[in-house]
Amino acid sequence: AQKITQTQPGMFVQEKEAVTLDCTYDTSDQSYGLFWYKQPSSGEMIFLIYQGSYDEQNATEGRYSLNFQKARKSANLVISASQLGDSAMYFCAMREPQYSSASKIIFGSGTRLSIRP
Amino acid sequence: DSGVTQTPKHLITATGQRVTLRCSPRSGDLSVYWYQQSLDQGLQFLIQYYNGEERAKGNILERFSAQQFPDLHSELNLSSLELGDSALYFCASSAPLGGAEDTQYFGPGTRLTVL
Repeated sequence: AQKITQTQPGMFVQEKEAVTLDCTYDTSDQSYGLFWYKQPSSGEMIFLIYQGSYDEQNATEGRYSLNFQKARKSANLVISASQLGDSAMYFCAMREPQYSSASKIIFGSGTRLSIRP
Repeated sequence: DSGVTQTPKHLITATGQRVTLRCSPRSGDLSVYWYQQSLDQGLQFLIQYYNGEERAKGNILERFSAQQFPDLHSELNLSSLELGDSALYFCASSAPLGGAEDTQYFGPGTRLTVL
């Protein structure tokens, strides 16, 4: 069965530092998609970045990059030059099968990131 | 703003009651997904509709049902409500198929409180 594991319940980081949020996944499918979402205290779920299982290059979106290591089944989120507004809950998620109109996303338990000024 | 709308934002009701949550997907998206976020269960996938048809089912209770209408908006019906149904209910939508277009964009959520 597919599973997403986020082992860091909470992290504190100094402003302007880079931060890595860990995510490992388990799936028997060859085709899957990996996502990171941000949930600030206001509650909305904000899509950050996507990585397909067949993508050879790591995904990047502005200050966000996804360190995808397929053999290790890890998909860590890297936030460069952290800002106070990055303080939020971050969820790693997986969708399988990747290309289908019938698939679901499962979420990890999340990491609460707090940025110190 | 993701382009997904949900109403109402907040809902307070009593045990045993029935409520309906509404979701309008982003323009052009055919898939609608419903999720429940509670403190003890985290984010749980409930159900997916694609162009009016049910396509995937998760941990949805029998007391809960959903449908997607011809105009693609969706409703989640929760009946015989229990205290444990108190949660944040999200709707998400995505384009049909393929690559980054599979990304699900979430609405702002409906916070349900059952007293």
